[in-house]
Amino acid sequence: GENVEQHPSTLSVQEGDSAVIKCTYSDSASNYFPWYKQELGKGPQLIIDIRSNVGEKKDQRIAVTLNKTAKHFSLHITETQPEDSAVYFCAASLATSGTYKYIFGTGTRLKVLA
Amino acid sequence: EPEVTQTPSHQVTQMGQEVILRCVPISNHLYFYWYRQILGQKVEFLVSFYNNEISEKSEIFDDQFSVERPDGSNFTLKIRSTKLEDSAMYFCASRDGPGPLHFGNGTRLTVT
Repeated sequence: GENVEQHPSTLSVQEGDSAVIKCTYSDSASNYFPWYKQELGKGPQLIIDIRSNVGEKKDQRIAVTLNKTAKHFSLHITETQPEDSAVYFCAASLATSGTYKYIFGTGTRLKVLA
Repeated sequence: EPEVTQTPSHQVTQMGQEVILRCVPISNHLYFYWYRQILGQKVEFLVSFYNNEISEKSEIFDDQFSVERPDGSNFTLKIRSTKLEDSAMYFCASRDGPGPLHFGNGTRLTVT
């Protein structure tokens, strides 16, 4: 089945610096890759997503890149702020009988130091 | 903005007891999911539900688990005889079509 690896598990950056989180997936059939932010005591919240027909997508300070050949995708956060501190999860969507089961990575705890 | 709501936020139960976790998905969504997250670990798929039946389930979702959509708004997860290792955050999620999952804030289940 699908497997999603995520690195690093923890990441500390100074406020204003950039943060990059990387994921790899195993199933070449996956075609949808969302990123979720999870704050303490809350459920995962979608922050950005990308489909396999696109190589890059940007939304203000957040961007995601996808390399289908290498089966890699990455989250880039620029000009980090303390409120960006959270756990970030990548996911790969495997279309199975039309239900699109999501497989999540292991998460990255991002700390933005003021 | 519409959201997925889950109740209760925290449930404490004794080993061997039955629990029902409740969810109200976003009203026009058609696909429903339960995920769980053991403390500090990744979010794991349990089950997906569409058109009033289970679409797919994981190895975790054994005979002790069941899901139901008893009416047009609620979606429940039942654990018949809880074990200590069932202690986790349980997240309900829903989506409409091939779009993103929308998660609730979860129910923290503590089995003592």
